[in-house]
Amino acid sequence: AQSVSQHNHHVILSEAASLELGCNYSYGGTVNLFWYVQYPGQHLQLLLKYFSGDPLVKGIKGFEAEFIKSKFSFNLRKPSVQWSDTAEYFCAVIPRAYDKVIFGPGTSLSVIP
Amino acid sequence: DGGITQSPKYLFRKEGQNVTLSCEQNLNHDAMYWYRQDPGQGLRLIYYSQIVNDFQKGDIAEGYSVSREKKESFPLTVTSAQKNPTAFYLCASSYSTGDAVNTEAFFGQGTRLTVV
Repeated sequence: AQSVSQHNHHVILSEAASLELGCNYSYGGTVNLFWYVQYPGQHLQLLLKYFSGDPLVKGIKGFEAEFIKSKFSFNLRKPSVQWSDTAEYFCAVIPRAYDKVIFGPGTSLSVIP
Repeated sequence: DGGITQSPKYLFRKEGQNVTLSCEQNLNHDAMYWYRQDPGQGLRLIYYSQIVNDFQKGDIAEGYSVSREKKESFPLTVTSAQKNPTAFYLCASSYSTGDAVNTEAFFGQGTRLTVV
């Protein structure tokens, strides 16, 4: 069965620290990949997405993610976090041959001013 | 504006009662989904539907039921058989075109259900 794992359940960083959140998926075929963010009390928002082409994807608010096909990974990065990045981050996968969105368990990021 | 509308935003239910959560989309999407979100457990798939009059169980379908009589609508009923229904429920939709190149999911704003 297809699944998505996220390496960290809870991450705590100081402002200006660099961020990398890991995401791995288990599916051998072609996938569409996503990172969603949920700020406290708000709904899910799309941070960035990968369908094809350049494996380094730029998203909103300075986030980027790199798709490494050989590692089945789609890690999210930001060079310098801000307090306002405190949120829950979800990695998601849509296998091209299946019409089903599969989410990772989420990573809670707390940024300390 | 195109989008997904969930209603109500907050819902209170007495224990033992069934309750139906609404989800409507005007994006002309074929696929619709219901997820449950609990603290520390991420998003878990309850049911999904890829086409009208058809739906499949997700990972935690017990105690829930759905219908898909119209493309635009995918209501979720939380039945009295659901042992722990208090949660945040998210509805989503996406194109369903088989080997879709640019399929992505769009989310509603969620319904917070509290059993009292």
